[in-house]
Amino acid sequence: QSALTQPASVSGSPGQSITISCTGTSSDVGSYNLVSWYQQHPGKAPKLMIYEGSKRPSGVSNRFSGSKSGNTASLTISGLQAEDEADYYCCSYAGRSTFFGTGTKVTVL
Amino acid sequence: EVQLVESGGGLVQPGGSLRLSCAASGFNLRSHWMHWVRQAPGKGLVWVSRINSDGRSTSYADSVKGRFTISRDNAKNTLYLQMDSLRAEDTAVYYCTRDVGSTTTFDYWGQGTLVTVSS
Repeated sequence: QSALTQPASVSGSPGQSITISCTGTSSDVGSYNLVSWYQQHPGKAPKLMIYEGSKRPSGVSNRFSGSKSGNTASLTISGLQAEDEADYYCCSYAGRSTFFGTGTKVTVL
Repeated sequence: EVQLVESGGGLVQPGGSLRLSCAASGFNLRSHWMHWVRQAPGKGLVWVSRINSDGRSTSYADSVKGRFTISRDNAKNTLYLQMDSLRAEDTAVYYCTRDVGSTTTFDYWGQGTLVTVSS
């Protein structure tokens, strides 16, 4: 089994909303409500943004939201801001394994 | 304050070995599953391995199975990754991560340690 599929890049203007998809299979995303999303700025460690599909950790802006339908999870960033420019990765529990997405570079125009 | 500090990275020849350590502080290590995640230069995140709270259950990515061994010493608040038979494709920054509740949700990450496999 390989990585979950994400678009390589997504862009938007300040204030707009963007959505990043994360497509897996019935053995990972589709079977468990255990998808998490991570933000990574260059040279930094990843940061947890969403867990269990749609929950936000304390301190994460409510501009970030998550959802899932079938084998595809999604991360939506509303009211896009310059500081949101980063790489984003989804991640799914898959029994005895775990898979990350291929990563999406978000550009704020 | 929760902190994870990795060490042990460096330059090693193909076929060689390295042992990474991750010193945990600010929380009770024995209460959490722990994982190693790696990132090759300019590439994405890849899950490597996990270990349950008491160290009796482990899992590995297919790419490292049989070559890497994860372990922990809860008394010393330290996680380990023994890496043997290293290959060029193992070159990456290795992150130690804490699992929130056995759900593969990584709420804390170390700063990473770079492993370079090259002759």
